Amino acid sequence: GNSVTQMEGPVTLSEEAFLTINCTYTATGYPSLFWYVQYPGEGLQLLLKATKADDKGSNKGFEATYRKETTSFHLEKGSVQVSDSAVYFCALTTLLSGGYNKLIFGAGTRLAVHP
Amino acid sequence: GAGVSQSPSNKVTEKGKDVELRCDPISGHTALYWYRQRLGQGLEFLIYFQGNSAPDKSGLPSDRFSAERTGESVSTLTIQRTQQEDSAVYLCASRYGQPDQPQHFGDGTRLSIL
Repeated sequence: GNSVTQMEGPVTLSEEAFLTINCTYTATGYPSLFWYVQYPGEGLQLLLKATKADDKGSNKGFEATYRKETTSFHLEKGSVQVSDSAVYFCALTTLLSGGYNKLIFGAGTRLAVHP
Repeated sequence: GAGVSQSPSNKVTEKGKDVELRCDPISGHTALYWYRQRLGQGLEFLIYFQGNSAPDKSGLPSDRFSAERTGESVSTLTIQRTQQEDSAVYLCASRYGQPDQPQHFGDGTRLSIL
């Protein structure tokens, strides 16, 4: 079945450090891949997406590249800020036989950035 | 409004009571999803609506859970005879257009069963 595995948290970094949050997936067909972010006390927001192999999604300094050969979609940022502290969810969606999709989420990785 | 709206934002109730959670999707979004997020865990899919019909109810955990959608707009998720394990944040999302388009989430309803 379809699944998403992401690195366990929490990840604790100092401001301006480099961030990587690993995400790998198992899916049939050709999934679209997403990173969602949940800031403290807020709802889930789409951070970035990639819909086909070798696509790079980017937003707010974050990037992730859809790697079909390694079934990965790792999230990176070159210099984190305190305001990036949040829980990050990797997710995939595949087109099901009924012509619709549903999101399959990883368990989430909490990031804490200290000044 | 501009985003997905859910109400109430918080609900505390006693075990055995029924609860009803509401979701107002973004206007024009035909697809609507309900998810559950238990403390410290990822999101579990509950149910999907396309228009007013629900082609996928596979994530509903038991027959105590039901959902409906009317007017291709508002959806309600009802939990009957609540149990403590129902405590979670219930999230609603809506989507416009093709299935690979992103889902837009509400802020959720935090449900606590005493």
